[in-house]
Amino acid sequence: DTAVSQTPKYLVTQMGNDKSIKCEQNLGHDTMYWYKQDSKKFLKIMFSYNNKELIINETVPNRFSPKSPDKAHLNLHINSLELGDSAVYFCASSRGEDTDTQYFGPGTRLTVL
Amino acid sequence: SQKIEQNSEALNIQEGKTATLTCNYTNYSPAYLQWYRQDPGRGPVFLLLIRENEKEKRKERLKVTFDTTLKQSLFHITASQPADSATYLCARGNNAGNMLTFGGGTRLMVKP
Repeated sequence: DTAVSQTPKYLVTQMGNDKSIKCEQNLGHDTMYWYKQDSKKFLKIMFSYNNKELIINETVPNRFSPKSPDKAHLNLHINSLELGDSAVYFCASSRGEDTDTQYFGPGTRLTVL
Repeated sequence: SQKIEQNSEALNIQEGKTATLTCNYTNYSPAYLQWYRQDPGRGPVFLLLIRENEKEKRKERLKVTFDTTLKQSLFHITASQPADSATYLCARGNNAGNMLTFGGGTRLMVKP
């Protein structure tokens, strides 16, 4: 009965590769997000989708492409991985209402070698 | 730009004492602030939300205040326990209410 799930939990890959992280929520929420948490633990929003439509794109390189096949899923595809992409990526969801709290997934630790 | 800062990277206290964590914001007051707890290797978990027009909010041993004059929110844990050890994040909403900006977090360590 996991609310927000992500796969994989860990991802180790070489520079230049392309990889995807999957996210699913079973809360019936309309809005989903991707966050990046760097080594200094700063949690920064990357994208926000509402009912499969992109509503926020926070100055993220276009190597990052989110895809939402339906409102319960928001996947993150990363092309041409770079060393600086190493971080923990969190998916989250919310009802999409004002002041809405967010439910986070367990995170995916990406290591680019 | 809207900034939010948590001044202390780490805070060590003795079990049973009250932990007080600080969150400061710049520019205009956000409509609300949220506080989250993050344990190592896990995603943040929502704890409390306080609106701009609320001075104080409580939930069990937790208390949050919102001071629009000081542009500050304080997060208190009374009768702290070692199980309270975690990183605590504050976050502000944007104008549209559809995006959170997080502070850098404060790592709390409660020693027995």
